[in-house]
Amino acid sequence: QKEVEQNSGPLSVPEGAIASLNCTYSDRGSQSFFWYRQYSGKSPELIMSIYSNGDKEDGRFTAQLNKASQYVSLLIRDSQPSDSATYLCAVHPAGGTSYGKLTFGQGTILTVHP
Amino acid sequence: GAGVSQSPSNKVTEKGKDVELRCDPISGHTALYWYRQSLGQGLEFLIYFQGNSAPDKSGLPSDRFSAERTGGSVSTLTIQRTQQEDSAVYLCASSLEGSQPQHFGDGTRLSIL
Repeated sequence: QKEVEQNSGPLSVPEGAIASLNCTYSDRGSQSFFWYRQYSGKSPELIMSIYSNGDKEDGRFTAQLNKASQYVSLLIRDSQPSDSATYLCAVHPAGGTSYGKLTFGQGTILTVHP
Repeated sequence: GAGVSQSPSNKVTEKGKDVELRCDPISGHTALYWYRQSLGQGLEFLIYFQGNSAPDKSGLPSDRFSAERTGGSVSTLTIQRTQQEDSAVYLCASSLEGSQPQHFGDGTRLSIL
């Protein structure tokens, strides 16, 4: 089992729709969770961080965390073509020798079509 | 303020040559990370520096790879006797400290002929 798994893509949604991106992780003690957006040929850009159970909203983005289910998701409301990118889920482990080392999922490619 | 700065942005070299990649983190960030991303692949962790602590080198793929961080700021990733499989984008990131969000530089695209 991969440490961080994302729903396989690519995901295609029409402009204005809600895009839902999902991620599960295996380390039950993980404490910090991040979503990065990566445009083709560019470096990852942090768009959301979440540390406690529940929802966290920032503009059109909502991150949801459920530690009991080891599940984190990203919702993008009113999707725009400019949201088309690869979305990376990253999980920070509980500590010990892995402290500081983010584990990334393979990414989900999102395409928003007009 | 300035973000993470990496140089060179592109590097083309012949197989067997040594290369040095540089990363200048965000001012005040104590943690610095190197990742590698091959074409169409995810991010592969290479090495992590936190302050004056011994670096976490657990991701370095072979002893041809090494990294140092001088004065707790600038870092250099060195690849000796490069191989074609070393071709990738090498990304550097920094954070305030180990558990905080990481911010990435634009990367160095390394091509081995």
